[in-house]
Amino acid sequence: EVQMVQSGGSLVQPGESLRLSCEVFGFTVRTSYMSWVRQAPGRGLEWLSGVTDGGTTYYADSVEGRFSISSDNSKNTLFLQMNTVQTEDTAVYYCARMFRDAFEIWGPGTTVTVS
Amino acid sequence: QTVVTQEPSLSVSPGGTVTLTCGLSSGSVSTAYFPSWYQQTPGQAPRTVIHNTHIRSFGVPDRFSGSILGNKAALTLTGAQADDEADYYCVLKMGSGSYVFGTGTKVTVL
Repeated sequence: EVQMVQSGGSLVQPGESLRLSCEVFGFTVRTSYMSWVRQAPGRGLEWLSGVTDGGTTYYADSVEGRFSISSDNSKNTLFLQMNTVQTEDTAVYYCARMFRDAFEIWGPGTTVTVS
Repeated sequence: QTVVTQEPSLSVSPGGTVTLTCGLSSGSVSTAYFPSWYQQTPGQAPRTVIHNTHIRSFGVPDRFSGSILGNKAALTLTGAQADDEADYYCVLKMGSGSYVFGTGTKVTVL
């Protein structure tokens, strides 16, 4: 069964760092195109970053240089390293598997609060 | 900065038809943007409805259909049911490899 388990969300202060995790089951992160998407309270969805099965990474302008996407193939886990967080980074963060340029499968989300 | 626009809210009667659109602040949406659509209910993760303009995701009822209408992507709901009430987001793939979500449409069935 395909499943994604997310963790790492917490309450942090502005300027701190945080790493979000997305452990996947039923498929391999290494051979998948994976993305991170967030949703601020009461707001819409925002694509943040993606990593292709070839290892190419992409970032939204809003997080370029502060956030970094990576994976640990031995743990079949996707990460989002968030540095120098700001209050506007407060959101629910979702990992997602991509398929044919669509967000095919979504994780349950993990909540980050910057205050 | 690219803005993907959607109607803020739409209402539809049970059994009725409603069309949501997804446009670009500058330019036209085509299949080359691989438009996709997502349904989200409060407190839940989004669910994929349509990908690659018109392909329904697994388990999505055929009352949902995707297309290009004029210069926009469109999601049409035919025969609306109460549990279709949700927020709907479109996504477009940009040439740079990035993706941009639309502003979202709140669909009310009443």
